[in-house]
Amino acid sequence: EDQVTQSPEALRLQEGESSSLNCSYTVSGLRGLFWYRQDPGKGPEFLFTLYSAGEEKEKERLKATLTKKESFLHITAPKPEDSATYLCAKGNTGFQKLVFGTGTRLLVSP
Amino acid sequence: ETGVTQTPRHLVMGMTNKKSLKCEQHLGHNAMYWYKQSAKKPLELMFVYSLEERVENNSVPSRFSPECPNSSHLFLHLHTLQPEDSALYLCASSQFAGGGALSSYNEQFFGPGTRLTVL
Repeated sequence: EDQVTQSPEALRLQEGESSSLNCSYTVSGLRGLFWYRQDPGKGPEFLFTLYSAGEEKEKERLKATLTKKESFLHITAPKPEDSATYLCAKGNTGFQKLVFGTGTRLLVSP
Repeated sequence: ETGVTQTPRHLVMGMTNKKSLKCEQHLGHNAMYWYKQSAKKPLELMFVYSLEERVENNSVPSRFSPECPNSSHLFLHLHTLQPEDSALYLCASSQFAGGGALSSYNEQFFGPGTRLTVL
């Protein structure tokens, strides 16, 4: 069964302290690897899509990378407004079927 | 209105009630989805519609009944729910580009969700 595992479950950073979030996935049938940000009480907000190993995408302080088994979300010099839950999802075999991880809760303190 | 909207935002219902959740997408997409989000669990895909045809039903109990009258609107009809059905119900939409079994997926855009409490 296809799985997506995210680590750590929770991460606490000081403002300006860079770090990375990990998303590992079962390899078969990758149709895209997606990153979302979710604030409390809101729907997930799309961040990035990665399709092939070696691909990288950046947006402000965030950079997503993809290998054959994992994806990383690097956060450079985070600010308190980056505090949220970051979700990773794999596009799976079947029609437009995304399999989500349980997320990493990020808290950035001033 | 822009993006994906959902109503109501909050719903409290008894186990014998019947209610409906509504979703509308303003993005011109051709696929719509219902997801369930419970605490400490990953988002669970419930239903997928493409061009108003249901193409995925992820073993969801019959007390949940979806309806997609056109490519912009999606409903989830609820009846005789259980307390364990309390969750955040999210609607999403995307543009399906076709291309068969090896095609890549486009990103899905989510609405704000309906927080459902079943008493």
